[in-house]
Amino acid sequence: DAGVIQSPRHEVTEMGQEVTLRCKPISGHNSLFWYRQTMMRGLELLIYFNNNVPIDDSGMPEDRFSAKMPNASFSTLKIQPSEPRDSAVYFCASSLISGSNQPQHFGDGTRLSIL
Amino acid sequence: GQQVMQIPQYQHVQEGEDFTTYCNSSTTLSNIQWYKQRPGGHPVFLIQLVKSGEVKKQKRLTFQFGEAKKNSSLHITATQTTDVGTYFCKGLQGAQKLVFGQGTRLTINP
Repeated sequence: DAGVIQSPRHEVTEMGQEVTLRCKPISGHNSLFWYRQTMMRGLELLIYFNNNVPIDDSGMPEDRFSAKMPNASFSTLKIQPSEPRDSAVYFCASSLISGSNQPQHFGDGTRLSIL
Repeated sequence: GQQVMQIPQYQHVQEGEDFTTYCNSSTTLSNIQWYKQRPGGHPVFLIQLVKSGEVKKQKRLTFQFGEAKKNSSLHITATQTTDVGTYFCKGLQGAQKLVFGQGTRLTINP
């Protein structure tokens, strides 16, 4: 069975550029989560969706970050413009409906470096 | 975000020693989940606790949920090098608010 698929696996770009991270959740899962992980701040929940609707976006750091889920099988996290402090590993996770009460399955992450 | 205190932040043990990490919430949790992340990997679900005072075991791992449903612990008996990684707790406040600990990073001297 395919797990959560994230792309790209690695991204290196210059500050000021737009960055788009992509996630395909496990088929049949209706909740999707975006996390950011750094050594300094650990694992942070940025936003999560139930049935493609954003439920809690209180973790989104600022207006430069936006997330969308146009359908049940795809989500994007966009940073525009990017800054060096955005460098981190970004994880996407999905779970069954009533997502917050269900185990989450994580993708392998996108390692983002902003120069 | 991080609204659960998890301690310790780091723990280094000799192989064969026990290890415990604790999560404490200021408010009641509907449930708590534990995840393990190996170095360079992604978090992997270990277990979920729902009932007050619940205790669950997975081989050498023992998970507890406090009577007040505000704290939880993960105890590893006789650690092995395969236990190396960061252990996270994740709780549910109310119906939809997710809260989680900063993680405890476990390293082991073989």
